[in-house]
Amino acid sequence: QVQLVQSGAEVKRPGASVKVSCKTSGYTFTSFGVSWVRQAPGHGLEWMGWISAYNGNTDYAQKFQGRVIMTTDTSTSTAYMELRSLRSDDTAVYYCARDGGSLGLWGQGTLVTVSS
Amino acid sequence: DIQMTQSPSSLSASVGDRVTITCRASQSINNFLNWYQQKPGKAPKLLIYAASSLVGGVPSRFSGSGSGTDFTLTISSLQPEDFATYYCHQSYSSPRTFGQGTKLEVK
Repeated sequence: QVQLVQSGAEVKRPGASVKVSCKTSGYTFTSFGVSWVRQAPGHGLEWMGWISAYNGNTDYAQKFQGRVIMTTDTSTSTAYMELRSLRSDDTAVYYCARDGGSLGLWGQGTLVTVSS
Repeated sequence: DIQMTQSPSSLSASVGDRVTITCRASQSINNFLNWYQQKPGKAPKLLIYAASSLVGGVPSRFSGSGSGTDFTLTISSLQPEDFATYYCHQSYSSPRTFGQGTKLEVK
């Protein structure tokens, strides 16, 4: 069936990097983009950026420019989001979502905890 | 950046009530407005896209309307499974911002 399955929870030290994967199935990967959205504990949804699975073009929110890298692997229909120089306020659940304008299909979320 | 403002931030209602949530954009976004439902510990779920188009499988008690800067999500008769947090989201321009959410609680 159509689904996005994300990698498991991570615990990182401040200053480290994290790379979250989002493996898709059940649809033509290159026909959609992938957006990444995060949600800090008890807070709302925050859009981080988007990548085209067709040509790899990216669009990052200004807040994350220089710290985030989004990539795709079309051979495995997988999207990746790497966030660098982690801080405690990066502790959040990170979601990938199939992006056809609206975010019609979401991964289950990956909890990233940043703590010393 | 386009700011999305939802009202109210929280709402208490009873099963069977008609509920309306409002979302206002800081500038015109045509009809590039989507609504999501999120339950605790779960990923958001798309309910309505392009302001008024219902996603397949979503109950018809959900409806959306609006264009430009003002939008509404209406639940015509609340069911127990509808108590959740609702977010609007603009896909008109980058960054694609979300509203702050409306938590719908049992009265």
